[in-house]
Amino acid sequence: SYELTQPPSVSVSPGQTARITCYGDALAKQYAYWYQQKPGQAPVLVIYKDRERPSGIPERFSGSSSGTTVTLTISGVQAEDEADYHCQSADSSGTYVVFGGGTKLTVL
Amino acid sequence: QVQLQESGPGLVKPSETLSLTCIVSGGSIDSYYWSWIRQPPGQGLEWMGYIYYSGSTNYNPSLKSRVTISTDTSKNQFSLKLTSVTAADTAVYYCARARLDRSGLGNYYPRFEYWGQGTLVTVSS
Repeated sequence: SYELTQPPSVSVSPGQTARITCYGDALAKQYAYWYQQKPGQAPVLVIYKDRERPSGIPERFSGSSSGTTVTLTISGVQAEDEADYHCQSADSSGTYVVFGGGTKLTVL
Repeated sequence: QVQLQESGPGLVKPSETLSLTCIVSGGSIDSYYWSWIRQPPGQGLEWMGYIYYSGSTNYNPSLKSRVTISTDTSKNQFSLKLTSVTAADTAVYYCARARLDRSGLGNYYPRFEYWGQGTLVTVSS
């Protein structure tokens, strides 16, 4: 079955830049989405259509795409950004929704 | 502001049917796509399927034989049924509202904009 691959964890110090990647064979032709999930809470959409930011999401969150890899970048990381981040796209046929395994961002 | 709230039993016996309802407030169910997504303890998210208000559905192939999603427009809610459950179905179940984004290649991708708070369902005898 089709998979989206994320690193299990990323660590960064406050004020630095965090980059979380998501790899999938079909990502070059598909949109990617990113969700932030804090412990005990529902996910929150932070990036859609690879690089668009919903209203209310801080400008320090940005998305990019290069071939089969999409990247969520958080500039000037704050303690409140510590959370799990999940990428989402579709399978190779573009029919079914697929989520990555999630990345735990730790702010040191 | 759109709000979603899951309801249903927190404990289901193996081999039985898991049934959950999502009540939508602050907006009509007569539009958008309505989805169920689950998350086993300590694991990632798994999309289960979605339904359009008109009744058309799309299910995760790995669950397709066991899952049914339906809407009740008169009550502004939608529901999930998962049959023949096992311990592997223990998870937090989220309902969510999605809109579809059309790509330049003509494919459609759901954007999950609103989520319920989630409800833990444990499968155990």
